[in-house]
Amino acid sequence: DQQVKQNSPSLSVQEGRISILNCDYTNSMFDYFLWYKKYPAEGPTFLISISSIKDKNEDGRFTVFLNKSAKHLSLHIVPSQPGDSAVYFCAASARRGAQKLVFGQGTRLTINP
Amino acid sequence: DSGVTQTPKHLITATGQRVTLRCSPRSGDLSVYWYQQSLDQGLQFLIQYYNGEERAKGNILERFSAQQFPDLHSELNLSSLELGDSALYFCASSVDPGLSQPQHFGDGTRLSIL
Repeated sequence: DQQVKQNSPSLSVQEGRISILNCDYTNSMFDYFLWYKKYPAEGPTFLISISSIKDKNEDGRFTVFLNKSAKHLSLHIVPSQPGDSAVYFCAASARRGAQKLVFGQGTRLTINP
Repeated sequence: DSGVTQTPKHLITATGQRVTLRCSPRSGDLSVYWYQQSLDQGLQFLIQYYNGEERAKGNILERFSAQQFPDLHSELNLSSLELGDSALYFCASSVDPGLSQPQHFGDGTRLSIL
């Protein structure tokens, strides 16, 4: 039972354009959502998060949007840079309880010059 | 640098053996989480400790156990190792699991079972 899904295994975007990564979840108890970026041979690096009381959170070039009714979130990166090439994981947790993270399968983003 | 330290980076051993993976959380973080990343399963939650006490368990095998010590570092013990235990094992830490705070990950231990 995959509670967090990233349906696109890979995405290729031109440098300077917008990258949009998508994530769907099924568990309505999730109320905290995060995006992590992962380079080979490194651990996931926290990028940005959003609480379920918000529908948008911005941090520099990164914006996360949350649509609770659709159980969908997205990460926008503008403008995309070559250093953004990595695997991006969406994760979700429920604040009640242990707050363990449930991860999607990841999307490999490639930024082309 | 996330501030979470995991040792060793790589571990190669044989079936039936036992290994210990070590994690030092970020300064000030009381909660430690262990995750397993295998090729076909993605990142899966194993177990969580908060201030020395076990807080939650995921799909952790009975052959695996963990503990968190008074200095807050944690160890994950894997015994009677099987080929399928080959994976990346990540440790993460956070300040307080009751708050909406991100978990920060170490660079993992790559375990190879021959």
